[in-house]
Amino acid sequence: QSALTQPASVSGSPGQSVTISCTGTSSDVESYNLVSWYQHHPGKAPKLMIYEVTERPSGVSHRFSGSKSGSTASLTISGLQAEDEADYYCCSYAGPTNSPSWVFGGGTNLAVL
Amino acid sequence: QVQLVESGGGVVQPGRSLRLSCAASGFTFRTYGMHWVRQAPGKGLEWVAVVSYDGHAKYYADFVKGRFTISRDNSKNTLYLQMNSLRPDDTAVFYCAKDTDGSYFDSWGQGTLVTVSS
Repeated sequence: QSALTQPASVSGSPGQSVTISCTGTSSDVESYNLVSWYQHHPGKAPKLMIYEVTERPSGVSHRFSGSKSGSTASLTISGLQAEDEADYYCCSYAGPTNSPSWVFGGGTNLAVL
Repeated sequence: QVQLVESGGGVVQPGRSLRLSCAASGFTFRTYGMHWVRQAPGKGLEWVAVVSYDGHAKYYADFVKGRFTISRDNSKNTLYLQMNSLRPDDTAVFYCAKDTDGSYFDSWGQGTLVTVSS
């Protein structure tokens, strides 16, 4: 299973919006609405930000939203804040049912300028 | 609240073994599947293995099949990863993560560092 493809880095100014893409294949992202996104500050535990493509866990800011089209999922962060600066990883269930697996993206470093 | 605390990492020589543990609290451990995920230095996250809530079903990433074994002790609320035949490219921070219906990881530990080096 190859890693999902994410841009290595994105940046934005406070208050702006940024979108991070996550491209997979017909075996993962395209086949399942089971894409999740994680925020990771180095040295800390990763944090779930989006699950099942568009769902936001309780406690996660409404500024975070997810979407998917075909084999590409996206995470959009609106109203950028300094605290959003972190690494972001997408993940997709990659099946199959009798041998489940999960595949992550390579990660995107978000810089808030 | 959910707490996952990994332990057992350290420096080990190539070819040797190591067992990681993940102590869970704040939720009914015996009712959730659990995963191990790793991150090599400077690299992204990589799924390693999953075990079902009862320990009966176990699945692995291709790169660890035959070398790593995931297990759990529900009486101790603890997840394990037995790692044999370790290689330098196994050097990574290993995280345990709580599963939710097999679709995502809703809680993570802070990780334990494994360094494979002679």
